[in-house]
Amino acid sequence: AQSVAQPEDQVNVAEGNPLTVKCTYSVSGNPYLFWYVQYPNRGLQFLLKYITGDNLVKGSYGFEAEFNKSQTSFHLKKPSALVSDSALYFCAVRGNAGNNRKLIWGLGTSLAVNP
Amino acid sequence: DGGITQSPKYLFRKEGQNVTLSCEQNLNHDAMYWYRQDPGQGLRLIYYSQIVNDFQKGDIAEGYSVSREKKESFPLTVTSAQKNPTAFYLCASSLRDREYYEQYFGPGTRLTVT
Repeated sequence: AQSVAQPEDQVNVAEGNPLTVKCTYSVSGNPYLFWYVQYPNRGLQFLLKYITGDNLVKGSYGFEAEFNKSQTSFHLKKPSALVSDSALYFCAVRGNAGNNRKLIWGLGTSLAVNP
Repeated sequence: DGGITQSPKYLFRKEGQNVTLSCEQNLNHDAMYWYRQDPGQGLRLIYYSQIVNDFQKGDIAEGYSVSREKKESFPLTVTSAQKNPTAFYLCASSLRDREYYEQYFGPGTRLTVT
């Protein structure tokens, strides 16, 4: 069965420091991986996705994510955090084999960037 | 200005009443989705539609109904049979319901039932 885990409910980082939000997955076939961000009382905004090719994916607002097939991970990163990055981040995965085509969402990680 | 609109932003209803949440997109997307978001539970899929005049149940369809009569519109009705309707409801769309397409979300409707 497909699954996605965001092992940290909350991540705290100082402004200007690098940030990492972790995501691991389990899926049959090739994984299609997505990161979204949600600001309070707002809808989700798409940040980036991994489909195939280069393992380092660059997205919106300076975010990037690294696909690691052997560790089944897709961690979100940013070299220098901003206070405005404080939000809820969701990882999602979708497979392409058999019954594993449904988009599965992680429970979210709350990122707090402290000034 | 392209995007997804949901109305209203806040909705209050008495228990036992049906309520319909609006979702409109002008992105020319074939696929549309309804999610429910509760604190600590992430997003749960209620219904989805791959194409106009077609829709399928998601993981928590009981107590909800939808229609897809137009490509641009995918309204969700929360019926009195839904036991815990108070939640934040999100509508999304994607170009196609395929693995490699991302979803675009509306701003959400917060429904409170008392």
